[in-house]
Amino acid sequence: GAVVSQHPSRVICKSGTSVKIECRSLDFQATTMFWYRQFPKQSLMLMATSNEGSKATYEQGVEKDKFLINHASLTLSTLTVTSAHPEDSSFYICSARPPGFIYGYTFGSGTRLTVV
Amino acid sequence: DAKTTQPTSMDCAEGRAANLPCNHSTISGNEYVYWYRQIHSQGPQYIIHGLKNNETNEMASLIITEDRKSSTLILPHATLRDTAVYYCIVSSTGDYKLSFGAGTTVTVRA
Repeated sequence: GAVVSQHPSRVICKSGTSVKIECRSLDFQATTMFWYRQFPKQSLMLMATSNEGSKATYEQGVEKDKFLINHASLTLSTLTVTSAHPEDSSFYICSARPPGFIYGYTFGSGTRLTVV
Repeated sequence: DAKTTQPTSMDCAEGRAANLPCNHSTISGNEYVYWYRQIHSQGPQYIIHGLKNNETNEMASLIITEDRKSSTLILPHATLRDTAVYYCIVSSTGDYKLSFGAGTTVTVRA
C-alpha cells in the first residue's frame, strides 16, 4: 500500500515549451504533496509544497510562475514547467505522506526531464 | 529541522552487516529520525524511522543513542541491491517537509 505514481518517467522537450508532470496517490488521499528537484550527483532539493484546494507554497528561490503547481483533487498534483530551458533539465520527484504515519513519506519514481 | 552529518561514502561486503552512522546533535524533542535510501535514478525509498527507542523492521534496524544526538542504521545482511545513497533526516511530525542532506553512498561489494 501507500503508492505514489509519477508520470511520465522520462520526457524530452524543446526549449520554450511547457511540460506537465503528474503525481498521483494511488491508494490514499493526500491533502499535501511535495515536489523535489535533483541535479546530477546532488541531493534532493524541495521546490514546493502542493496543497489541495489552495495555492502551493514555494521554497525560497523557486520561481512560482515558472513551476506551476495544481493540486485539484486529493489524489493528484501536477507540476508544469513553463517555457522550459536546458537549465531546467533535472530529475523531478514528488512525495506524499500516507495517513497513519507508519509509512513515513512515500516518493514517486521520478521524472527525468531533458530540455533540448 | 535539525541538521545531520553522515560519512560521504562507505563500502561493505555482501552478506555482512552494514552500519551507517548519523550525527544529529541539535535534534529537538519532537523530531523523529528518518532513514531513506535512493537507488540510482529512482525516487527515495522509506526504510525506517524512530523517536527514542530502537526500531526494527524487515529492512533494517535503527539504534538511537540515549541522548538522541546520534543514530545508526543497520542493514543486517547487505546484498548488492542495497547499493544506494542513504539519507538520515530529522523532522517533526508537525512539519511535513523533509530536508535531504548529501547522504552516504553505500557500495556493497561481492
